Amino acid sequence: KQEVTQIPAALSVPEGENLVLNCSFTDSAIYNLQWFRQDPGKGLTSLLLIQSSQREQTSGRLNASLDKSSGRSTLYIAASQPGDSATYLCAVNDYKLSFGAGTTVTVRA
Amino acid sequence: EPEVTQTPSHQVTQMGQEVILRCVPISNHLYFYWYRQILGQKVEFLVSFYNNEISEKSEIFDDQFSVERPDGSNFTLKIRSTKLEDSAMYFCASSELKGQMMNTEAFFGQGTRLTVV
Repeated sequence: KQEVTQIPAALSVPEGENLVLNCSFTDSAIYNLQWFRQDPGKGLTSLLLIQSSQREQTSGRLNASLDKSSGRSTLYIAASQPGDSATYLCAVNDYKLSFGAGTTVTVRA
Repeated sequence: EPEVTQTPSHQVTQMGQEVILRCVPISNHLYFYWYRQILGQKVEFLVSFYNNEISEKSEIFDDQFSVERPDGSNFTLKIRSTKLEDSAMYFCASSELKGQMMNTEAFFGQGTRLTVV
């Protein structure tokens, strides 16, 4: 059974600092990995999708890396802003998405 | 921008009652999913649906649950006899088929918060 772990569980940084969010998974037989953003009481917004054959994917200030063989992905958010405050979820896809518990980010103005 | 829409946003029901949660997936998508998130817990997979049949389901998706695509646009989740532990946020998601690749990006709706009292 796929297990997805996200570290740290919570993170508080001053505005402008870069964020590093970690995700690990136990079974490397995945099709892709998605990072989502979830605001309190809201739905899931897809941020980035990395196919299993890719090492990296970028969108604006977001960059995600994938090392499938070691079961790790990292989401980098450059120059954080208060609007980046949210919970970030990592999900691996092996015909269905298995989610981590998320990292709750607070960016202080 | 196309989006997955879910109704209602919040439903309160009495234990033992039947509820139907509704979703309109993105129009050119062929794969549909239901996930749920109990308060404070991880998002969990319930079921995936393709070509008018269930393609995969989790152990959570027992006989009290069913899914249906009653017409060309709606996708529903029915819970036959609700229990207190069914209280959760239920998310619908959809993804498209690109060539032979079925596991493309999944897009989620805003969720239905189900409260069983």
